[in-house]
Amino acid sequence: GENVEQHPSTLSVQEGDSAVIKCTYSDSASNYFPWYKQELGKRPQLIIDIRSNVGEKKDQRIAVTLNKTAKHFSLHITETQPEDSAVYFCASRAGTYKYIFGTGTRLKVLA
Amino acid sequence: NAGVMQNPRHLVRRRGQEARLRCSPMKGHSHVYWYRQLPEEGLKFMVYLQKENIIDESGMPKERFSAEFPKEGPSILRIQQVVRGDSAAYFCASSLNLGANYGYTFGSGTRLTVV
Repeated sequence: GENVEQHPSTLSVQEGDSAVIKCTYSDSASNYFPWYKQELGKRPQLIIDIRSNVGEKKDQRIAVTLNKTAKHFSLHITETQPEDSAVYFCASRAGTYKYIFGTGTRLKVLA
Repeated sequence: NAGVMQNPRHLVRRRGQEARLRCSPMKGHSHVYWYRQLPEEGLKFMVYLQKENIIDESGMPKERFSAEFPKEGPSILRIQQVVRGDSAAYFCASSLNLGANYGYTFGSGTRLTVV
């Protein structure tokens, strides 16, 4: 069945450094890839997304890249800050409503 | 313009009891999606409902779980005879039309603890 693999499961970076989280999807029909940030005890919140007809998208300190051929997409956070500490989930959507989520990356930004 | 509302936020049930989770979609939305998040895991699709209809329940366990979205009132996810493995956070999202142009906005979730 459809699957999304996410790496690493945990990531610690120094404040100001960059963080990169990578995901791989299995369903070649996937056409939309959102990223969510979840703080402890709260709901996942959409932070950025990318569609299959675009290779890269940037929003201030965060960016997402997509390689359709390799079925890879990545989240890049630059100039990390302590408030970036959270669990990040990638997801893919092949049809119109069902999302497959990765298993999450726990990011810790060390001050 | 309230977002997706879920209640209760926290629910504790003893093994064998029933759990009822409610989801009120955003105003005007008639499509509701339920996802479950087990501890330390990502979200997993459970069920997609339109008003009075279950469209896709492929992610919902065949036994003990049921969902409805009546003409009036919130969507209800019902878990009968709960077991410890049902302990999880249950999130719902809604949309105006089938699917959504953008990723879902989830409600605050219901955290179910089975003791």
